[in-house]
Amino acid sequence: EDQVTQSPEALRLQEGESSSLNCSYTVSGLRGLFWYRQDPGKGPEFLFTLYSAGEEKEKERLKATLTKKESFLHITAPKPEDSATYLCAVQGNMLTFGGGTRLMVKP
Amino acid sequence: SQTIHQWPATLVQPVGSPLSLECTVEGTSNPNLYWYRQAAGRGLQLLFYSVGIGQISSEVPQNLSASRPQDRQFILSSKKLLLSDSGFYLCAWNREGNEQFFGPGTRLTVL
Repeated sequence: EDQVTQSPEALRLQEGESSSLNCSYTVSGLRGLFWYRQDPGKGPEFLFTLYSAGEEKEKERLKATLTKKESFLHITAPKPEDSATYLCAVQGNMLTFGGGTRLMVKP
Repeated sequence: SQTIHQWPATLVQPVGSPLSLECTVEGTSNPNLYWYRQAAGRGLQLLFYSVGIGQISSEVPQNLSASRPQDRQFILSSKKLLLSDSGFYLCAWNREGNEQFFGPGTRLTVL
């Protein structure tokens, strides 16, 4: 059974304080790893797709990386508007989501 | 560009009442369609998916059913709601193997 574990569950940062979110996974035949951002009361917004170990993707202050067992979402110099829940999902036979990391950035 | 709509946005229903949530996709044809439920503070649970009209696969046995009467329309239904059916319901679409795109969601409260 495919499994995705995200840590930490919640993360409080000061504005400008860089950090990383972790997504550990086990999947039979990885066909893609996805990162989403979800604001309260809204549907998840697609951020990145990673397909193979060593791959990296960047968008503004976010950078996603992938190894054979985990993915990291690095947040550089975050701003309050980066506050959201970040979801990781792996595509095996089906798409399996982790529980998310709730990020709060204080000004 | 593709867009996905869900309605209603919020719904409060008594226990034992019926349910119908609708999802429509614009700007694409023959999409894969999905229904998820998200409990408070938890990840997404896949309920149903469909690869074509009239083709429904269920991932979790439950009080709910799904139908796809048209290519870009996906409906989630229940004959009698339970308290445990409360949650945030999300519809999503994709092309085979690619990232899924989500709708705005429906907040269902069963009292």
